[in-house]
Amino acid sequence: DTEVTQTPKHLVMGMTNKKSLKCEQHMGHRAMYWYKQKAKKPPELMFVYSYEKLSINESVPSRFSPECPNSSLLNLHLHALQPEDSALYLCASSPTSGGPDTQYFGPGTRLTVL
Amino acid sequence: GQQLNQSPQSMFIQEGEDVSMNCTSSSIFNTWLWYKQDPGEGPVLLIALYKAGELTSNGRLTAQFGITRKDSFLNISASIPSDVGIYFCAGEPTNTGNQFYFGTGTSLTVIP
Repeated sequence: DTEVTQTPKHLVMGMTNKKSLKCEQHMGHRAMYWYKQKAKKPPELMFVYSYEKLSINESVPSRFSPECPNSSLLNLHLHALQPEDSALYLCASSPTSGGPDTQYFGPGTRLTVL
Repeated sequence: GQQLNQSPQSMFIQEGEDVSMNCTSSSIFNTWLWYKQDPGEGPVLLIALYKAGELTSNGRLTAQFGITRKDSFLNISASIPSDVGIYFCAGEPTNTGNQFYFGTGTSLTVIP
């Protein structure tokens, strides 16, 4: 089983709203990721959690706040977003921390900011 | 972050033709991954490569880890309409742990 699940599938929010994206994997992976992807572009790394600790933050604005409650769950809290934040948000996981690795993606959350 | 050079940017081919695409980097990579992505969906892992010179197949797909460790290649044989999508390479450089860099993508259109 190489499944990463994400909810919701679609999200529409206003610029003053607070919402959260959720990601879950039960493969025992110890690294989890958030990416942002614009149409026909490659995914852009936002955050990496390794063993439930934030290890990489790619200078993401503070209106995006990640959280890793446990080794299976990853959240992305959204607050005061801008229309240019509209994109496909992808969660991914990989088995180990460091060394040759593999990365599996979830289906994504399509976010629209009005 | 670092972005890999992927070519060609797009391809329009007839059903049944073979396809080749490649990915290059200015630095050495530890791992190469190849993904296919359909519109509005997450990337699906096709092939993972871990050793220089490694050649790995997955059905009609074959990928190779370049000898210099700075490039990788993906071939699709006898293309079919469901091969349509965007193909991304991704690489993990040495000593960065958990950070994958993505190619710019190859958009494939298969004409029946």
